[in-house]
Amino acid sequence: DAKTTQPTSMDCAEGRAANLPCNHSTISGNEYVYWYRQIHSQGPQYIIHGLKNNETNEMASLIITEDRKSSTLILPHATLRDTAVYYCIVRASSDYKLSFGAGTTVTVRA
Amino acid sequence: NAGVTQTPKFQVLKTGQSMTLQCAQDMNHEYMSWYRQDPGMGLRLIHYSVGAGITDQGEVPNGYNVSRSTTEDFPLRLLSAAPSQTSVYFCASSRRLAGLHEQYFGPGTRLTVT
Repeated sequence: DAKTTQPTSMDCAEGRAANLPCNHSTISGNEYVYWYRQIHSQGPQYIIHGLKNNETNEMASLIITEDRKSSTLILPHATLRDTAVYYCIVRASSDYKLSFGAGTTVTVRA
Repeated sequence: NAGVTQTPKFQVLKTGQSMTLQCAQDMNHEYMSWYRQDPGMGLRLIHYSVGAGITDQGEVPNGYNVSRSTTEDFPLRLLSAAPSQTSVYFCASSRRLAGLHEQYFGPGTRLTVT
């Protein structure tokens, strides 16, 4: 898997958008960008994934740059329950394995 | 659907003891895997399986055995527990085309080896 780089931590105000960056400068053409999050003491939860187009679902939006070397996960209206560790993972469609780095610890403050 | 279930939730073992962590899923997923998570770190893959009768090693397989006799169950065996195996263990499953589908994780088993 290509490696990803994420900030260690970030704070966000409740009700505001949270923008989580991820660098994946060595990503290959067949590799997808996935985002998972892990709320304290729970198992990781899938958020969203994409290849090169921007994606949106009920949880978040994923913006991938045209050169695919970086991406941003957007939580449009952060709530206290969004406080978690967010993992950006790059993986080929033929690969089952998820390689988790340290992720970004996001703290949403009231 | 119950999703991915894991038992027990908590376990304390003495060094040298053996035990089996249970994982089951009711989504008919072909792919199942085991991860461990040490404090303040990301998850590391121990073993995985792409279908009944097929298993393979992940990043940190030493000290663990797995088998996959049914689609639903994927138990993880600790052969002779060591303090270094104190960790939280997560089981996950997904459809076979894993690159295009999310993985579902269980709630975890918190293991302490004294």
